[in-house]
Formats: sequence, structure tokens, C-alpha cells
Amino acid sequence: DAGITQSPRYKITETGRQVTLMCHQTWSHSYMFWYRQDLGHGLRLIYYSAAADITDKGEVPDGYVVSRSKTENFPLTLESATRSQTSVYFCASMSESEDEQFFGPGTRLTVL
Amino acid sequence: GIQVEQSPPDLILQEGANSTLRCNFSDSVNNLQWFHQNPWGQLINLFYIPSGTKQNGRLSATTVATERYSLLYISSSQTTDSGVYFCAGLPGGFKTIFGAGTRLFVKA
Repeated sequence: DAGITQSPRYKITETGRQVTLMCHQTWSHSYMFWYRQDLGHGLRLIYYSAAADITDKGEVPDGYVVSRSKTENFPLTLESATRSQTSVYFCASMSESEDEQFFGPGTRLTVL
Repeated sequence: GIQVEQSPPDLILQEGANSTLRCNFSDSVNNLQWFHQNPWGQLINLFYIPSGTKQNGRLSATTVATERYSLLYISSSQTTDSGVYFCAGLPGGFKTIFGAGTRLFVKA
């Protein structure tokens, strides 16, 4: 399907485990973003990428790793999950003309 | 860093009422957008509005970039308008800043 997809949609894991959240877009947008949404904080930027192999930190990058080997994919890895990383994670993409960001459906992650 | 303030934080309307939501930025931003997060958590693009006025059905938005604020107007509200409304902008580069949102509940 065209658009931006995220997988899994729901994930429960344990403290200390590695978790990877996937994001895939079919628009060939250059820019991709990862956000987390927590009660009382709105959406906060974790990492973003301007193109394949180009990534940079956002507001809350600690504990997360990203990669972008292909334009269409932007996985987010929690190398050793902590309870404070329990959140809803949204991926977004934006075209080179730098206008609108479009969001995926989100992944609800629970770390026990 | 840049601060984004949305007001009001919460709003309860009777179906059919009109409302105005406001977004203030402490400094200039680019690519200002309005989103609606529905009760299922989906983020829906409403407007890309770095300046000027746009309308889409019962919704319209105005951004006055020189004064660093944007307004979202909802007319003849419906229960399906319930959810959270966010504004967001890029203060330079790509580090997007979101407001905390306005939570809207429309009563039937």
C-alpha cells in the first residue's frame, strides 16, 4: 500500500531487551523522522534523517539508535529497553520541497 | 529553545458551536502545520500554513508569521471533531517542535 507504515503496531517487551521499530514509506521522501508521544509532553523528536546514510539527533535521542541504509526505511532501535521508553512512537516523512510531514499510524510500546 | 504554546489546553463544545484554537511560537518557525489526532491515535494533516489563510470545509487556519502565531477555526463543530489538535513548526533545520495540544470534546 502507498503511504507510510509502521510495524509492529503493538509491542510488549522487558527491560534490557533490544527492540526495533520499523518504518517504511513509499513516496521516496528524502526526510524521515521518529517521534515519541507521552502524556503531558505532546510529540518529541527522537531522530531525523535527511537522506540515506544521513541522520541526526532530535530532542530526546538518548537510548535510541537509527539507521537509514535505504531511502524508504528508517528503523528505530532501543538497544536496551527501559521502562521510561514506554510510549507511542510515530514515524513521519517529508518531501525535499520541505513542506508537510505525513505520519504513520504509530507503534505502542510497553516495556515491563 | 523555541517554545510553543497552544490555547486553550482543553475545550468542551456543544455540537454546532464554533471555536478558535491558538498556537504561539516564541520565535520564528517554518513549515507550520496543524494536525488532528483522533480518538484512535491517528495523526491527520489539517493544514500546511506557513503564512496566510486557508480553508477546508468547516475548518480554516490563519498564520501571521511576523507575529509568530497561528489560529485554527472550527465552525459548526461535530462530534467527529473531538480529539487533540496540535500545531508544529520547524525553527530552523529539521528539528520539529510540537505544541502540547488542545484537547477538544464535542458533545452531541
